[in-house]
Amino acid sequence: AQSVSQHNHHVILSEAASLELGCNYSYGGTVNLFWYVQYPGQHLQLLLKYFSGDPLVKGIKGFEAEFIKSKFSFNLRKPSVQWSDTAEYFCAVSPYSGGYQKVTFGTGTKLQVIP
Amino acid sequence: EADIYQTPRYLVIGTGKKITLECSQTMGHDKMYWYQQDPGMELHLIHYSYGVNSTEKGDLSSESTVSRIRTEHFPLTLESARPSHTSQYLCASSGTTGVSGANVLTFGAGSRLTVL
Repeated sequence: AQSVSQHNHHVILSEAASLELGCNYSYGGTVNLFWYVQYPGQHLQLLLKYFSGDPLVKGIKGFEAEFIKSKFSFNLRKPSVQWSDTAEYFCAVSPYSGGYQKVTFGTGTKLQVIP
Repeated sequence: EADIYQTPRYLVIGTGKKITLECSQTMGHDKMYWYQQDPGMELHLIHYSYGVNSTEKGDLSSESTVSRIRTEHFPLTLESARPSHTSQYLCASSGTTGVSGANVLTFGAGSRLTVL
């Protein structure tokens, strides 16, 4: 069974600072990887996803993530955060296969951006 | 804007009451899910459905039950609520995307249940 580890539970940054949120997964096979975001008072929504191909994927609002297979990592980055990026970020993984693929989530990282 | 709707958004009830959390989606997705979310914890899958008349238990044991009589509707029921059921319940749905058929989940806004 797969698992996801997010090392940072709470991150506080000033506006314009750079962001990197760590995500490591454990699974023996090929995976699909996701970052979801939950803004205050809103529903969880997809930020970006990796299925195959270029390991550097770009998502909405200037976010990107890099899949490093050898490190089982899928870290989320943004060069310059804004106050509006304050949210909770969840990394998720599912096996790369047909049929039902269970999506496993990490515990989330709360990001607080100070103006 | 999410096309998956959950009601009620907030519910406070007494122990022993029966409750049903409603979830509807307008995207025609075959797969639907219920997750339980507690602060500082990962989302735990408690139920899922591949389609009409298909329901399965998820990873986290739950005393709740679900039904899937229509594609768009996936309600969750607790026959006798207890304080241990206090949590946020998230409904989600997915179609299939790309050659991997990966599950990209669309979530509802959640139902926050408090049992006194």
